[in-house]
Amino acid sequence: GAVVSQHPSWVICKSGTSVKIECRSLDFQATTMFWYRQFPKQSLMLMATSNEGSKATYEQGVEKDKFLINHASLTLSTLTVTSAHPEDSSFYICSARDGTGGETQYFGPGTRLLVL
Amino acid sequence: AQSVTQLGSHVSVSEGALVLLRCNYSSSVPPYLFWYVQYPNQGLQLLLKYTSAATLVKGINGFEAEFKKSETSFHLTKPSAHMSDAAEYFCAVSDAGNMLTFGGGTRLMVKP
Repeated sequence: GAVVSQHPSWVICKSGTSVKIECRSLDFQATTMFWYRQFPKQSLMLMATSNEGSKATYEQGVEKDKFLINHASLTLSTLTVTSAHPEDSSFYICSARDGTGGETQYFGPGTRLLVL
Repeated sequence: AQSVTQLGSHVSVSEGALVLLRCNYSSSVPPYLFWYVQYPNQGLQLLLKYTSAATLVKGINGFEAEFKKSETSFHLTKPSAHMSDAAEYFCAVSDAGNMLTFGGGTRLMVKP
């Protein structure tokens, strides 16, 4: 149980294009999902918290117009990197917390983005 | 504000030896504590968690951790390392709001 998937696992795009990453909770309903960014050999940095049916809460320094988050259902949150640039290249990981108020976050397998 | 410190960004042990990965935290409220493992190019997998029940927590793959409030520590141990344990390990703390704060990570290397 408590499986989270991400799609795609790898994406390569040209500078200036937009990329959408999906995060799905497969066997539970997630009222809250989180988006993290991880640079090579570093820890995870929380980008934003996504609550179903409401606007995401962004961490300080994260551009909300660049990283668009939508949490339209209890099993799906999407992160769209708009007008991507090479500095946006990174490993993006989502996590989900189940709707029963559990304290555990379950993580997806991550999406590696390379912007050329 | 919460913070997590993992002492040693790299730990190397021989196969069959004891694994000890250190984690110290600071939190203004009773915390929830977690250990996650990350294999290359993958997401994080929950190893174990402390949620104010037993102070000695057993997790998957033979790992366990002990919550010591007086030392504000939550060190991860495994009696006998296996080659498949080589990975990156993250300690994390959350408060009642369930926002996770991660430590910097410790890369465990296992020598044959």
